[in-house]
Amino acid sequence: QSVLTQPPSASGTPGQRVTISCSGSSSNIGGNALNWYQQFPGMAPKLLIYSNTQRPSGVPDRFSGSKSGTSASLAISGLQSEDEADYYCAAWDDSLNAYVFGIGTTVTVL
Amino acid sequence: QVQLVQSGAEVKKPGASVKVSCKVSGYSLTELSMYWVRQAPGKGLEWMGGFDPQDGETIYAQKFQGRVIMTEDTSTDTAYMELRSLRSEDTGVYYCASTIRPLFYGMDDWGQGTTVTVSS
Repeated sequence: QSVLTQPPSASGTPGQRVTISCSGSSSNIGGNALNWYQQFPGMAPKLLIYSNTQRPSGVPDRFSGSKSGTSASLAISGLQSEDEADYYCAAWDDSLNAYVFGIGTTVTVL
Repeated sequence: QVQLVQSGAEVKKPGASVKVSCKVSGYSLTELSMYWVRQAPGKGLEWMGGFDPQDGETIYAQKFQGRVIMTEDTSTDTAYMELRSLRSEDTGVYYCASTIRPLFYGMDDWGQGTTVTVSS
C-alpha cells in the first residue's frame, strides 16, 4: 500500500480523454509539489509532469496535470496507442521524510 | 544532457551484499542530486533514498535504514548504492536517478536499471 492512492487501471479508445487520479494528504500532496512518471514495460521511468502542472521539454501537450488540495490528476487528451504504459504519481512526504510513489496506474488503449 | 549508465546484473545469495554503480556523464556529479529507486518484479516504484542538497546529507527511506549505503566518487562522477543482508524480497530492478533541482520537482534523468536477483 502507498500513502498516495491511484486506481490500478484506466482505459480508453484512441482519441478519448483519460484521467488518472492521485489522492494523498496534507503531508504530501497537500503541502508539496506533485510529479507524474511514465513507464513502459522493461524501461526506466520518465518524468512526465513536475511541480503539479509543468511538462519537461519534449513531453506532448496532450499530457496535463492538475492539483487541488490533497488530490491531483493526470489527463491524457487525444489518447494514442503509444500512451499504453504505467503512470505513477509521486511527492515528498513531510511525515515520512521520504519521496513516495503511488502504486501506479496501467493505461490501456482499447 | 545528463546520461546515467549503471553496472550490470547481479545474482547474490541471501545474506550477501550488492553494490550497484551509476556513472554520470554530461554533467559533473557535484552538480546533481542522486537518488535510488527500486522496483520489485511486477510491482511499483519504491524510493530508497539519496542526497538531500538542503542539508548536504544522504537520507534513506526508513525501510532501508541500516542496510543501505549510498556514496559518491566525484573524481570519477560515479554514484554507488550498496545494499547489505540481502533477502529474496530485495530481488528487483534498481534505478539511479538525478536532478539538478530540488527533489520535489521530480527526478529528471534515470539510469537504465540494474537487475539484482537474490536466490539461494
